[in-house]
Amino acid sequence: SAVISQKPSRDICQRGTSLTIQCQVDSQVTMMFWYRQQPGQSLTLIATANQGSEATYESGFVIDKFPISRPNLTFSTLTVSNMSPEDSSIYLCSVEDRAGAGGYTFGSGTRLTVV
Amino acid sequence: GQQLNQSPQSMFIQEGEDVSMNCTSSSIFNTWLWYKQDPGEGPVLLIALYKAGELTSNGRLTAQFGITRKDSFLNISASIPSDVGIYFCAGHSMNRDDKIIFGKGTRLHILP
Repeated sequence: SAVISQKPSRDICQRGTSLTIQCQVDSQVTMMFWYRQQPGQSLTLIATANQGSEATYESGFVIDKFPISRPNLTFSTLTVSNMSPEDSSIYLCSVEDRAGAGGYTFGSGTRLTVV
Repeated sequence: GQQLNQSPQSMFIQEGEDVSMNCTSSSIFNTWLWYKQDPGEGPVLLIALYKAGELTSNGRLTAQFGITRKDSFLNISASIPSDVGIYFCAGHSMNRDDKIIFGKGTRLHILP
């Protein structure tokens, strides 16, 4: 299975600031995704990170708030911009695991607290 | 939009008991996935199902892809303390361009 390294693992940020989360995969992958998991909730897809083109955002998520970069097939970043306490969540990147057991592999997540 | 209805929302069981949880949808899925999430970690894939009627085991875990393609269940036999966590079903629909959607999770507690 693909191995994902996600950084930072956690952070406490002041409202109004921005945080960039990094996702590094140990192999080239076509599909990379960013999810949000609010406290005690399930996972909600934010966007699909496309290599060489703009990310595809799900309903309720916009590029100005969650800009995404995908410079190559092994790396992506998600920025949470102009943060408010409502952005406190776990943010997870995920890749489609075509070479492994199937399904989708997740990073260990970034636990963000906005104060 | 598409939704997965996962039940039960939480379970309190004794160690050694068997566990059963399921997911249903009004939509057809071509892949069903079951994940477990421990505190502070991302979800880890337990079982992936790709064919209607498929029954797959992974140790003490067994999952089935419903014949109608609208449901799936996960069973855990002889539960042990490390089974504690949140279990999520996830479905991949043909119409979703490689995106998957998640159920709301089943939180498993094991009583001492």
